Amino acid sequence: GESVGLHLPTLSVQEGDNSIINCAYSNSASDYFIWYKQESGKGPQFIIDIRSNMDKRQGQRVTVLLNKTVKHLSLQIAATQPGDSAVYFCAELQGAQKLVFGQGTRLTINP
Amino acid sequence: NAGVTQTPKFQVLKTGQSMTLQCAQDMNHEYMSWYRQDPGMGLRLIHYSVGAGITDQGEVPNGYNVSRSTTEDFPLRLLSAAPSQTSVYFCASRGSGRSFFGPGTRLTVL
Repeated sequence: GESVGLHLPTLSVQEGDNSIINCAYSNSASDYFIWYKQESGKGPQFIIDIRSNMDKRQGQRVTVLLNKTVKHLSLQIAATQPGDSAVYFCAELQGAQKLVFGQGTRLTINP
Repeated sequence: NAGVTQTPKFQVLKTGQSMTLQCAQDMNHEYMSWYRQDPGMGLRLIHYSVGAGITDQGEVPNGYNVSRSTTEDFPLRLLSAAPSQTSVYFCASRGSGRSFFGPGTRLTVL
């Protein structure tokens, strides 16, 4: 079946550098995507979302890029901080309410 | 505003035992759902509800029952626990275009 997946399971970056986390999706009809951050022992937290009629959306230190041609989604975190250490998930909204999650990428910040 | 709350935080069961994981939200959201999260995997949808009295199956519903008698509560029942149900369980509610997750219940079935 169609699913949402991530390219890499782990990512290590130096504090202060920019981080890029990637996600591929296979359902070309998908029109809404969300990035979540999950810290150890906690539930996922909403970071940013994007609809398929957009290519880019920016938040505070985060940017999501959507490339519909290759069905690819990325999350960019600027000036990575220790508090950014977490597992990041992309999710696809199927239908009106059902979220389908990717596998997750663990982001580790090196001092 | 407590958001989404879950109890218990931790639970150990023996194979064959039954239990109910509690979930409540105070945001008046119609949509609620249950996910399980296993190591190295994303969250997988177990059951969901689009409103009181309405439930439906998700991706991995076998071994779990749900009911939705009120807007606020969405309990998840394990009728006969199996070791394969060892996991972390998250409840979520969705409103205003966003999903809010509870803190999770870590369940171990021996």
